Amino acid sequence: QKEVEQNSGPLSVPEGAIASLNCTYSDRVSQSFFWYRQYSGKSPELIMSIYSNGDKEDGRFTAQLNKASQYVSLLIRDSQPSDSATYLCAMGPGGFKTIFGAGTRLFVKA
Amino acid sequence: DADVTQTPRNRITKTGKRIMLECSQTKGHDRMYWYRQDPGLGLRLIYYSFDVKDINKGEISDGYSVSRQAQAKFSLSLESAIPNQTALYFCATSDVGVTEAFFGQGTRLTVV
Repeated sequence: QKEVEQNSGPLSVPEGAIASLNCTYSDRVSQSFFWYRQYSGKSPELIMSIYSNGDKEDGRFTAQLNKASQYVSLLIRDSQPSDSATYLCAMGPGGFKTIFGAGTRLFVKA
Repeated sequence: DADVTQTPRNRITKTGKRIMLECSQTKGHDRMYWYRQDPGLGLRLIYYSFDVKDINKGEISDGYSVSRQAQAKFSLSLESAIPNQTALYFCATSDVGVTEAFFGQGTRLTVV
């Protein structure tokens, strides 16, 4: 059974700090990894995708993938209160084979 | 207007009733999905459809059925609702060869 594991949190960081969100997965074959942000009561929205080992940066967000250790992480620099949300890690080739983690709740304190 | 629209947004129904959740999209995508979200369990796939004639069960299809009325419309039915089907339901779409899924606003369903 493919699984994606995330710490449910909440992870609390002060405004301006770096928030580090982690995810481990069990399927060594998976090639694609995604981070979705979900505000309370709202739908998930894609914020990062990563397909190869290493780092991928987009603005204040950096996704890190380590296939040997089977983990993927999301760093949020200069965290803002508006970043407070649940972050869903997902893996797979996309579409119907995407497997979602349960999500980590992030709280950024002003 | 949202690209992926779900109706209703909220619904309370009684045990044993049949209920239909509707999804329509203006993105022109062939692929459509129904997920349910429960606290602590993430998003779980109920059904997916790659085109009007191609409908497939996901990991938790028991107690649910779907209908793909057109490329833009994909409905989810609970034939006889039960309390453990209380959840937040999301419709999503994706394009062929593109991995990102676009979600509707969600339907909060409560079965009493």
